[in-house]
Amino acid sequence: EAGVVQSPRYKIIEKKQPVAFWCNPISGHNTLYWYLQNLGQGPELLIRYENEEAVDDSQLPKDRFSAERLKGVDSTLKIQPAELGDSAVYLCASRRDHTGELFFGEGSRLTVL
Amino acid sequence: KNEVEQSPQNLTAQEGEFITINCSYSVGISALHWLQQHPGGGIVSLFMLSSGKKKHGRLIATINIQEKHSSLHITASHPRDSAVYICAVRRSGGGADGLTFGKGTHLIIQP
Repeated sequence: EAGVVQSPRYKIIEKKQPVAFWCNPISGHNTLYWYLQNLGQGPELLIRYENEEAVDDSQLPKDRFSAERLKGVDSTLKIQPAELGDSAVYLCASRRDHTGELFFGEGSRLTVL
Repeated sequence: KNEVEQSPQNLTAQEGEFITINCSYSVGISALHWLQQHPGGGIVSLFMLSSGKKKHGRLIATINIQEKHSSLHITASHPRDSAVYICAVRRSGGGADGLTFGKGTHLIIQP
């Protein structure tokens, strides 16, 4: 099966600019996660989707971050405007429903100048 | 105190050595994951455990639910095993289904 696909792999922007990341989970995986990972740290949950519903977005900074998964398949994470502290790797993961196994994308590395 | 603690934070060993990475957690869990992350790379799931022991090649993962502790072992370590190993737990009892991650163990295997 194809893995979790993320794009872009790398993005460099100036502060106050917008940026968007895209994730296509493994086909049939209803649960999708967006994580933020700072250097030397473990991933931190931003948002979790069950199909098209955001069931946990308590850690998403809603003043500047937004996410959508309109058809319950692929998802987009947006930051507007970006700040210097947003520089990190944004990871997408999906979960095989019956077994709970996790599959991660390669991540999108954001650098805000 | 973090809910998931890993030790050691950093580990350097010689090729061929037996490696042990530990993970302790303080919450009730339904599953524990061991993940591997190479520099600049994505995360790969190695094991998902809810009890007992699992083995895959040179990797062995164990969990003791009563003691809230898990270990990841690497036998006959090789430089390609150099990576960050992350322990993550899924809480039990409903509510948020997100994972809680440890900070990772940075492993370097020298030839």
